[in-house]
Amino acid sequence: AQTVTQSQPEMSVQEAETVTLSCTYDTSESDYYLFWYKQPPSRQMILVIRQEAYKQQNATENRFSVNFQKAAKSFSLKISDSQLGDAAMYFCAYRGNTDKLIFGTGTRLQVFP
Amino acid sequence: DAGITQSPRHKVTETGTPVTLRCHQTENHRYMYWYRQDPGHGLRLIHYSYGVKDTDKGEVSDGYSVSRSKTEDFLLTLESATSSQTSVYFCAIRFQGRMNTEAFFGQGTRLTVV
Repeated sequence: AQTVTQSQPEMSVQEAETVTLSCTYDTSESDYYLFWYKQPPSRQMILVIRQEAYKQQNATENRFSVNFQKAAKSFSLKISDSQLGDAAMYFCAYRGNTDKLIFGTGTRLQVFP
Repeated sequence: DAGITQSPRHKVTETGTPVTLRCHQTENHRYMYWYRQDPGHGLRLIHYSYGVKDTDKGEVSDGYSVSRSKTEDFLLTLESATSSQTSVYFCAIRFQGRMNTEAFFGQGTRLTVV
């Protein structure tokens, strides 16, 4: 069975600085998809970025980028120029051929002014 | 909001009573999911559906059942609620199309079992 591990329960960053959230996963599949979701205090789940495993190029969405290391099964999220509105829970998620979307336990990000 | 509505948004119920949560979508998406969110556990999959009357278990399905008699509705039933089922429940939907399509989530239902 596939698993997703987020080893950092909490992280903090100063406004305008850069922070990296870690995610590792375990799978025997070769084709799969990885996602980062953000959950602010409103509880709404918001997609931040996605990565297809067959693509070698790391995905980027404005200030958000990933470092996808397929051999190491690592999928970290880098937030540049952090803003107060980035404070939230961040979840890493995996989806393979079974259509199940599997989440990690989350990382709470605090942003200090 | 991707056309997904959960009801009720909040519920308090007594131990041993049956409870049904409803997820309604207006997007005609094939895939629907039920998750529970608990501190330290993230989101854990309870059940999911890949079509009308087609459902499968997730990692924490014990004590829960689901039904999907039409495309737009996916019901989650706690057959006899226990305190360990106190949680926030999320429904999600996903379009069948491209494999990398994201899942859209409802606003969540906070369930308290006393």
